[in-house]
Amino acid sequence: ETGVTQTPRHLVMGMTNKKSLKCEQHLGHNAMYWYKQSAKKPLELMFVYSLEERVENNSVPSRFSPECPNSSHLFLHLHTLQPEDSALYLCASSQEGSQNTEAFFGQGTRLTVV
Amino acid sequence: GESVGLHLPTLSVQEGDNSIINCAYSNSASDYFIWYKQESGKGPQFIIDIRSNMDKRQGQRVTVLLNKTVKHLSLQIAATQPGDSAVYFCAENMKDTGRRALTFGSGTRLQVQP
Repeated sequence: ETGVTQTPRHLVMGMTNKKSLKCEQHLGHNAMYWYKQSAKKPLELMFVYSLEERVENNSVPSRFSPECPNSSHLFLHLHTLQPEDSALYLCASSQEGSQNTEAFFGQGTRLTVV
Repeated sequence: GESVGLHLPTLSVQEGDNSIINCAYSNSASDYFIWYKQESGKGPQFIIDIRSNMDKRQGQRVTVLLNKTVKHLSLQIAATQPGDSAVYFCAENMKDTGRRALTFGSGTRLQVQP
């Protein structure tokens, strides 16, 4: 149990579908992140939320839309995705303002776009 | 841009041997470094961290070495076990840049032969 839970674990969607990925952290952290992990690529930071406010958006296409309703929950809404968006999407949380900023990760959602 | 990179994609060792995984980083302003382990089907898990005011830190069976002169980080695993087989990532953070999230290297796959 990592303290960060992601659902679903696996998702297959068509290019015209709309779906959402969910992340919940039980660690009392104040920052949450979405990362994308593709084969043979480093983890790519997508979005950062600090105290429920989006503070970083790394040039992610608008077909990915994050939402952070409270400090424990983070969503990634998906719409009109492309096959190249197939990847493992990882959610993480950390405690800003602490000496160390290690991130705790969820298990990820394996997304396949067909 | 700044980057943290792993140059050896796969390391194969015999069970019981020591493993050394290397990482080079390019940003001399980085002051906090973490090693993560990612097993198949799971999210990255924290192993050990080190701040830039240290050059060595030990954990249980793991040691991280930091050489700021050449901007090099290594992870040493003593008496490698089959359960150590995974992909290992180094990650860095920079203090006082306003950036909150970690930057990850591309990863090294460790294969432990029984």
